[in-house]
Amino acid sequence: NAGVTQTPKFRVLKTGQSMTLLCAQDMNHEYMYWYRQDPGMGLRLIHYSVGEGTTAKGEVPDGYNVSRLKKQNFLLGLESAAPSQTSVYFCASSYGRTGGDYNEQFFGPGTRLTVL
Amino acid sequence: LAKTTQPISMDSYEGQEVNITCSHNNIATNDYITWYQQFPSQGPRFIIQGYKTKVTNEVASLFIPADRKSSTLSLPRVSLSDTAVYYCLFRGDSSYKLIFGSGTRLLVRP
Repeated sequence: NAGVTQTPKFRVLKTGQSMTLLCAQDMNHEYMYWYRQDPGMGLRLIHYSVGEGTTAKGEVPDGYNVSRLKKQNFLLGLESAAPSQTSVYFCASSYGRTGGDYNEQFFGPGTRLTVL
Repeated sequence: LAKTTQPISMDSYEGQEVNITCSHNNIATNDYITWYQQFPSQGPRFIIQGYKTKVTNEVASLFIPADRKSSTLSLPRVSLSDTAVYYCLFRGDSSYKLIFGSGTRLLVRP
């Protein structure tokens, strides 16, 4: 059981480049989430998905797109990277809706992204 | 707009009890409050979850008053390995968005 995995672990982009971050989970969870973590800011929700084929906006969705074509995968895309998107990105998954009983989120190890 | 307040940092010594409070002014009525622990270069890890009153598991206790405008994570007899950042997580009542607290950096000294 690998849990939640993220690819890649590190990436450096130039302004305007695009890239896709991949999140995979093997726990058959319905819900998946993408967060960004900046120094001193805690974690902020970018987008989330409540099931295969569905996505929804979180707190800071601008500049990002997501897709959930398969239940086990949640992709985060940056179409035109900007220095303000330099951050550590975490993916998470949960069996049910966060806030409900026993629906903790399981986090991946993170992707450190630098945009020059 | 839902907001949270946590102390930025706390210092403690091994063997002491540590209490970290998160104030959340507008929490969704039927939602649980969850606490996470994060070590450097790792993703957050679930510690404990509660709805009201007191919840205890093998690593921590969680106290939630009747008005649910705050919650207090209690770590009994901390050790050096408890040095980490601790976050509360809840859902705001109006936007229904998930909100992480800003985090409390706990340093446990020998």
